[in-house]
Amino acid sequence: AQKVTQAQTEISVVEKEDVTLDCVYETRDTTYYLFWYKQPPSGELVFLIRRNSFDEQNEISGRYSWNFQKSTSSFNFTITASQVVDSAVYFCALSEVYTGNQFYFGTGTSLTVIP
Amino acid sequence: GAGVSQSPSNKVTEKGKDVELRCDPISGHTALYWYRQSLGQGLEFLIYFQGNSAPDKSGLPSDRFSAERTGGSVSTLTIQRTQQEDSAVYLCASSLIGQPQHFGDGTRLSIL
Repeated sequence: AQKVTQAQTEISVVEKEDVTLDCVYETRDTTYYLFWYKQPPSGELVFLIRRNSFDEQNEISGRYSWNFQKSTSSFNFTITASQVVDSAVYFCALSEVYTGNQFYFGTGTSLTVIP
Repeated sequence: GAGVSQSPSNKVTEKGKDVELRCDPISGHTALYWYRQSLGQGLEFLIYFQGNSAPDKSGLPSDRFSAERTGGSVSTLTIQRTQQEDSAVYLCASSLIGQPQHFGDGTRLSIL
C-alpha cells in the first residue's frame, strides 16, 4: 500500500490564483515526520518544510502554508497568489521513526502556473 | 562544499557495460538514500543505508543493481550489464534521523 498518496498528478492554475496540493499518508507509528519538497524544471530537489507528528499547528511562510490534520492523515500545501516561479513538481514525504528514518515519497504533483 | 556530492554528473555508456555511481554525503549524516528518477516521473526508491548497513534493499530493481557504503560515509551504486531501461537520473540524499533529506544534483545515466 502507498504510504504517501498525492492524488493530483497535474494541476494548472492561472497566476495569482490560490492552489492546494493534497497529501495523504498512512502510518502505524505515533512518531513520524512529514515533509514537502519542490523540484523545479532545473531538477534539484529543494526542501520546503518538516513537521513532526506531535505538532499540528498550521504553518505559514510567505505565500506558502501547510495544514496538518492527524484526524484525516493529511498534510496539505497551499500556495496563495501563485506565481510562474511556483511551477514545479511538489513531493510530499513521510519518515517513520520506528523504521529508522526510512523516507516514503509520494508520486508528486506537477504544478503549472500560467501567466 | 558542504552539500551532497555525486559523481559523475553525467555518464553515457554502452548497453552491457558496468557503471559505478558515487555519492559523498554531508559529513555526519548517518542515513543515505539512493533514488532513481526517469524523465517526468517521481522518485523511485532504490536503497537506504543507516551507517554502513542497508536495512531496506527492497527497491533495487534487479540483481544487476548493488550498493555499498563504507566508513559510514561514501556510497557507491553499481549497475552491472546495463540495459537501456536503466537510463535515468540517479539521486543520492543524506540526512540525520528525523531531519530533512539533502539531495545531490544527481547522475544522469544514459545507456546507448
